Parts: sequence; C-alpha cells; structure tokens
Amino acid sequence: QVQLQESGPGLVKPSETLSLTCTVSGGSFTSHSWSWVRQSPGKGLEWIGHISYSGSTNYNPSLKSRVTISLDTSESQFSLTLSSVTAADAAVYYCARMIVGVTKPYYFDSWGQGTLVTVSS
Amino acid sequence: DIVMTQSPDSLAVSLGERATINCKSSQSVLYSSNNKNYLAWYQQKAGQPPKLIIKWASTRESGVPDRFSGSGSGTDFTLTINSLQAEDVAVYYCQQYYSSYSFGQGTNLEI
Repeated sequence: QVQLQESGPGLVKPSETLSLTCTVSGGSFTSHSWSWVRQSPGKGLEWIGHISYSGSTNYNPSLKSRVTISLDTSESQFSLTLSSVTAADAAVYYCARMIVGVTKPYYFDSWGQGTLVTVSS
Repeated sequence: DIVMTQSPDSLAVSLGERATINCKSSQSVLYSSNNKNYLAWYQQKAGQPPKLIIKWASTRESGVPDRFSGSGSGTDFTLTINSLQAEDVAVYYCQQYYSSYSFGQGTNLEI
C-alpha cells in the first residue's frame, strides 16, 4: 500500500519561499500523477497543482505565478515550492496521489498526513 | 472555474438513521463522450487527511462500507450514509475533476 509523507519547515517568513517534499513509499511513480493540496480554515481544500510521472505539470491558475512542482523519481519524491508567501498561504499542506485516465488525472486516492505551515516573521 | 456548493454545512443524525449530503456544481460535470460524472466524495475525520470514498459520482472505493452511496448526475449530487455509525462522524467533501479541480466547502456530520 502506498504511503506519502510530507516534510519541510513548519514556519516560513512573509515574502520568502515555502519548500516542501513528499516521499512516496510502497508504490510506483510511473502510473500516477502527484499533487499538492492545501487546507486552510478560510479557503477549505484547494488544489495547488500536480506533476505527472513524465514531469509535465499543471497548476492552479490562482497560484501559477508562484508555484513550482518537481519530481525526483530516483528518490521517490516530489516537491513544492511556493514563492513570496503571505499570511494567506498558511495552511495544512497535503501531498496526494492522483489516479490518471486517458487524458488527465482524476481524483486523489491516497494522501499524506499533512504538514502545517505557518507564515510569520 | 467550477464552484462546488454543499448543503447543509452541518448535519446531526442519530445512530442508525440516514444522513444525506448534497453537492451542486456551477456547471455540469457530466462528460458526454463517456457518460461519466467527474465527481468524487471524501471523508475527513478529525486530525486526518481526506479519504476517498466515492469516485465517478457513484462508485464506492475499495473497502468502503456499502452503507455509503453516491448518486446524481450533471450538476446535482448526493452522498447518502445509511444506518449511521459512530465512526462516520467526519467532514465530507465533494470534488469535481471535470475542469481543473475544486472542492465543496464541506459538510460536518455529527451524531
């Protein structure tokens, strides 16, 4: 059974860059896409973006200018960077596996436990 | 953007009774070429990540009890939990994957 685990700093200063990594175990990268979703009290669950096993990415338009998702298949990891963070970016960040169809990824079938990111100086 | 709106925001149901949660999308999530509704339901218990329980609007994920069922098509969907158990206390979210990805605001189910 696949397991996902987020890691990274829990505190980021305003205007700086948030960086998180998701380590995947017990599963293969090649037949899924890999996503970041965040959850905050004010905005609920919000899809940030995803990356396919081939490295192609798709981002939420509202975050696209600040988001990069990358993949390291040799380490079974994928990562999120979010630049120029503000208090609005404070949330629990989840990494998740997506089931992929013929033309696109669909739903999220496995999730990490989540990591809380606070934005404060 | 497709906006997902759930009702009610909160729901209290007695043990053994039925819970019904509604989800409405701002545009249809039914893909005409394959006649599939691009809608999923998730259960999130306190302190845990969301868990996929229903995909394609009505297909239960493996291991999900059959008291959970999903129905609806187009823009209107329902999650029904029959014979409510104590372990069903959670927040439930609908999510569309027809165009990008968006979630409902959640429905808090209590006993």
